[in-house]
Amino acid sequence: DAKTTQPNSMESNEEEPVHLPCNHSTISGTDYIHWYRQLPSQGPEYVIHGLTSNVNNRMASLAIAEDRKSSTLILHRATLRDAAVYYCIRGAYAGGTSYGKLTFGQGTILTVHP
Amino acid sequence: EAQVTQNPRYLITVTGKKLTVTCSQNMNHEYMSWYRQDPGLGLRQIYYSMNVEVTDKGDVPEGYKVSRKEKRNFPLILESPSPNQTSLYFCASSLNGQGATEAFFGQGTRLTVV
Repeated sequence: DAKTTQPNSMESNEEEPVHLPCNHSTISGTDYIHWYRQLPSQGPEYVIHGLTSNVNNRMASLAIAEDRKSSTLILHRATLRDAAVYYCIRGAYAGGTSYGKLTFGQGTILTVHP
Repeated sequence: EAQVTQNPRYLITVTGKKLTVTCSQNMNHEYMSWYRQDPGLGLRQIYYSMNVEVTDKGDVPEGYKVSRKEKRNFPLILESPSPNQTSLYFCASSLNGQGATEAFFGQGTRLTVV
């Protein structure tokens, strides 16, 4: 079961940090945590992924709980262009049914207010 | 610039008229796949390819065909389109399986079958 659980929607103000939570309590030891986002009328866009340690890139930070049952995507300063649907996805490191595909849930709709 | 290019972006066709949606990537990726996105159902994988001449079914393959004769191209073929294939289609590519590495998505093809 590749299920993750995310809130349906969240709101933020521009230039404030945003913490998007994701629950993946049945995650296996070799599953990565991926985050993608989809802006209106566009294809999904990779944001970040990680396995155990916290990860940072130019777009965001990913904080993974020590037991790996949950994670949080952090946008340090939200902009209006960050308004999108954010998907938290489990993906297998090698082999298995989740190695070859991304199983998208409903995601979290992020609204950013000016 | 790393790119996944789909064509056409929009297509309206009639039931039963064969069509092909093209997908090309310029990153020398081994792994390519097709997804469809429908309201309330999210993105679901149709077919994937792990390399040239290696393809396999995803979660919703009925009514679709694919081929992978060259590494860069992965066309999606609808031999006899039906109205239930009206959807938004995305092609994606990645270096390895999409559960393990960053995936790049095309801009999408909005298909309407009447």
